[in-house]
Amino acid sequence: EVQLVESGGGLVQPGRSLRLSCAASGFTFDDYAMHWVRQGPGKGLEWVSGISWNGGTMGYADSVKDRFSISRDNAKNSLYLQMNSLRVEDTAIYYCAKGRGRSTTWDFDDWGQGTLVTVSS
Amino acid sequence: QSALTQPASVSGSPGQSITISCTGTSSDVGNYNLVSWYQQHPGKAPQLMIYEVSKRPSGVSNRFSGSKSGNTASLTISGLQAEDEADYYCCSYASSRTWVFGGGTKLTVL
Repeated sequence: EVQLVESGGGLVQPGRSLRLSCAASGFTFDDYAMHWVRQGPGKGLEWVSGISWNGGTMGYADSVKDRFSISRDNAKNSLYLQMNSLRVEDTAIYYCAKGRGRSTTWDFDDWGQGTLVTVSS
Repeated sequence: QSALTQPASVSGSPGQSITISCTGTSSDVGNYNLVSWYQQHPGKAPQLMIYEVSKRPSGVSNRFSGSKSGNTASLTISGLQAEDEADYYCCSYASSRTWVFGGGTKLTVL
């Protein structure tokens, strides 16, 4: 059974940084691309970033480009999202999602339960 | 990266069929057969219902079907059941290794 467990969320002041983690199990982690998707309070889903199976290809939404950085450690079956220069509008539940294939052109077939990030002074 | 356009809400009675539209552009929906649909119940993580426009993951009821014409994709749910009441999101690949979601549609089963 695929399990994705996010951690690292919390309350942070605007302009500060936070690093999210996603621990994966139940599948061969380095066979699949991974993504981060967020959902603001009472809002819809927003794709944030994706990374290919070997970390060689990454993509970012315009809203987070140059501020967020996605990475993975296949030896640790883990996905990360480094979030810098956080803004109030980054407040959201952040979901880790597994791609259906190796490249970032595959959609997302399994999701974690999310971790809440609140950006506020 | 503009969000895809979905109706804010749709409703139907048990046993009926409903269709949710998802309109994008020639840069996303119209250019790739990489449209997926997700169901989300309150307080829960999204669940993949349709991928690659019209394919169903194993375990998803055949009451759910997807299609696409031009820049608009559609999700149809037939034989509506109470448990189908949820939010539904479409999603499309949008080139340059990016994806875009629709704003979401709240389905009410009357």
